Amino acid sequence: DVKVTQSSRYLVKRTGEKVFLECVQDMDHENMFWYRQDPGLGLRLIYFSYDVKMKEKGDIPEGYSVSREKKERFSLILESASTNQTSMYLCASTPRGLAGENSHEQYFGPGTRLTVT
Amino acid sequence: QKEVEQDPGPLSVPEGAIVSLNCTYSNSAFQYFMWYRQYSRKGPELLMYTYSSGNKEDGRFTAQVDKSSKYISLFIRDSQPSDSATYLCAMPSGGYQKVTFGTGTKLQVIP
Repeated sequence: DVKVTQSSRYLVKRTGEKVFLECVQDMDHENMFWYRQDPGLGLRLIYFSYDVKMKEKGDIPEGYSVSREKKERFSLILESASTNQTSMYLCASTPRGLAGENSHEQYFGPGTRLTVT
Repeated sequence: QKEVEQDPGPLSVPEGAIVSLNCTYSNSAFQYFMWYRQYSRKGPELLMYTYSSGNKEDGRFTAQVDKSSKYISLFIRDSQPSDSATYLCAMPSGGYQKVTFGTGTKLQVIP
């Protein structure tokens, strides 16, 4: 079974703090994603990565950065946390096939519920 | 206008009922349609997917796509309390499999 783990289930941080959210997958997937999920807005893509050290902005990258130094690990960084970043953060991964085709099935972690006060 | 629209619910039904969950979309380029199920305090997991118009059945679940109307549905027969979850429709686009998700419909099946 694919396993995607996230470092914390619940996190409470203060405004202005630097926050690190870690995601690790154990199935050697090439592609990894960070989303945030908010009521009424659904899942919104923050950043994704298709290879080590590669990253692409998603729909809402402002206020966030990412790091992918190893294939299995994708980190989301909130440089200076703000209250409007209170949300559920979900990490996902997908494999790439031998012919370079991307699987559309995303495997999600359990989520980190971040509260910024 | 959002690319994918989904009624957020909540939808509450008695056990054994037939449930219909729906999404509309605006992007004609969408060719592949997925339904994810998300239990409380968990990440979403893929439930069903389909490429084409028509119906696809998997046990008590049927996914239906009408490309001419840009409308997709998920039917659950003989609904069970264990089906209580949020159901998200999803459609991939873009070169690196960017996926556009609906906002999700929360379903509660009452025993």
